[in-house]
Amino acid sequence: EAGVAQSPRYKIIEKRQSVAFWCNPISGHATLYWYQQILGQGPKLLIQFQNNGVVDDSQLPKDRFSAERLKGVDSTLKIQPAKLEDSAVYLCASSLGRTIEAFFGQGTRLTVV
Amino acid sequence: QKEVEQNSGPLSVPEGAIASLNCTYSDRGSQSFFWYRQYSGKSPELIMSIYSNGDKEDGRFTAQLNKASQYVSLLIRDSQPSDSATYLCAVNEGNAGKSTFGDGTTLTVKP
Repeated sequence: EAGVAQSPRYKIIEKRQSVAFWCNPISGHATLYWYQQILGQGPKLLIQFQNNGVVDDSQLPKDRFSAERLKGVDSTLKIQPAKLEDSAVYLCASSLGRTIEAFFGQGTRLTVV
Repeated sequence: QKEVEQNSGPLSVPEGAIASLNCTYSDRGSQSFFWYRQYSGKSPELIMSIYSNGDKEDGRFTAQLNKASQYVSLLIRDSQPSDSATYLCAVNEGNAGKSTFGDGTTLTVKP
């Protein structure tokens, strides 16, 4: 079974530029999560989708971050404009259901300079 | 107060010993509890899930849950150097399934 696919693996951008990340979850997984993990901290949930609907986006900085999962499968997360403090690893995860264990992709390491 | 708290460590144990990792959480409505292992530079990998009070064993790993005390732990028996990693506790809140992670405990197993 293929795992969660994410791209790109690494990205370096200047502040105020925009960037987008892509995630393809495990086939059949209805729940998709985007997390931000800053070095030395645990993953912080940015947004959670159930199929193509948003379940929770309370910690998503909506003035600069946006995410979509249009057909209930793959998803994109965008940052525009980026700030220095956005430097982190962005992790996508998926699960069969909302209270079931999630499986993570390899992540995208973003560096904002 | 953080919603999910873990001792940051580092926790150091000799090879072959038992490593004990602890986690407390604040939301009494939490229903699902997970332990993930994260090697440096890698993404979290699920080790154990536990949903009801008591112990759950899987190989060298045992997860323990006490909902009354809002406490979940992970025991690693016969620790190996390959167990050296950061262990993340994750708690799912109620029906929404929102996952909150602790900041992890770094474990070092010395040969």
